[in-house]
Parts: sequence; C-alpha cells; structure tokens
Amino acid sequence: DQQVKQNSPSLSVQEGRISILNCDYTNSMFDYFLWYKKYPAEGPTFLISISSIKDKNEDGRFTVFLNKSAKHLSLHIVPSQPGDSAVYFCAAEDSTSYGKLTFGQGTILTVHP
Amino acid sequence: EADIYQTPRYLVIGTGKKITLECSQTMGHDKMYWYQQDPGMELHLIHYSYGVNSTEKGDLSSESTVSRIRTEHFPLTLESARPSHTSQYLCASSEYGGGTEAFFGQGTRLTVV
Repeated sequence: DQQVKQNSPSLSVQEGRISILNCDYTNSMFDYFLWYKKYPAEGPTFLISISSIKDKNEDGRFTVFLNKSAKHLSLHIVPSQPGDSAVYFCAAEDSTSYGKLTFGQGTILTVHP
Repeated sequence: EADIYQTPRYLVIGTGKKITLECSQTMGHDKMYWYQQDPGMELHLIHYSYGVNSTEKGDLSSESTVSRIRTEHFPLTLESARPSHTSQYLCASSEYGGGTEAFFGQGTRLTVV
C-alpha cells in the first residue's frame, strides 16, 4: 500500500512561470514532509521541508504548502528556471521513526527556455 | 556539499557472485540508511542503522545484509547476486531526523546478468 503518492509522472512548464508539484499521503502519523530533487546519475538532494504543525514554508523560489485535512501538499517553484529540470520526490517522516523516509514515485519536471 | 560517498557507481556482475556496495560518510552522523530504487519508482528503505552495531531491516524485504562496525562506514552485501537484484542502491545519512535533511550518496547502479 503506497502511503505517499505523486500522481503526475511529469510536468512541463515555460521558463519564468510557476511550477506546481503535488503530493498526497494516507498515513496520518506523518509529522514531517520533505521535497528532494534528483538529477540523473546523482543522489537526491534536499530542497525544503515542512512540519505538520505548519501550513506553509518558504525558501527563496521554493514554497511548500500543506493541507493536513486533505492529506495533500504541494511544492511551488517561482519563477521556474531551466536548471530546475529534474525529478522531484515528495517524502514523509513519522517523528518516531528517527529519520526513516517514505517516498513518492517522483515527478519529472521539465522547464523549457 | 554532502560528504557521503558510494562505490562503485556502476557494477555489472554475473549471477551467483558475492558483491559489497560501499558507503562512507565523514559527517559523523549516527543514522545511516540504504534505499533501493527501480527506474520511475519510489525509493524504498531496505536497511537502516542508528549507530555502531545497530542494524535493522527496512520496509522493503531485501536479501541483502548490512553491517555497522564504524560510524562512518555502512556497507551492503549480497551473498549471491540474482537478476532480480538489478536496481539502483542509494545510501544516506542524517543527524537528527525530525524533518531535517538526509544526505544521499550518488548511488550504485547494479546490473546482474
């Protein structure tokens, strides 16, 4: 049973526009949510995270929104840049699990110049 | 810059061979993890460790084994490789959990022929 789902396998946007990546989860025990970015042939790198007690966290061009009642989060990238083209993974953590992450399948973001 | 290293980056090996995938980190993190990822799929936790002499199996059943004799070193071993073990293996470490980032190595892409 997949506890973290990213239902859009891919997303294509124009440079300068907003990219919105979505993620749904089923386990209400998750306390933290993280976004990772992955380039081909490299390991994932951390982007931004949010605690379940917040509904928004912002870091530069990246903002994550959490709707706990809907068990839904989204990552907004504004403005999108061609260097943002990568696979984006949503991950969730239960605070009792000491850093073990449950990942979604990833969304391939392509930003066109 | 994450100081976590995996070797080899790529490995093609015959069925029945014993292999060890190496993972080392220089950040002094107690928590280390092994994830397995098939193309286009989510990362699955297969092993984790909270410190020296501590190892546990993850959510995804794996025929591999791990050891943690030193804080910085967390190797993964397959006693007898099979084609079903073909996958990407990603090692990670973290200091705190609780929504703080995990640092990933570049991964080992294993192909068993």
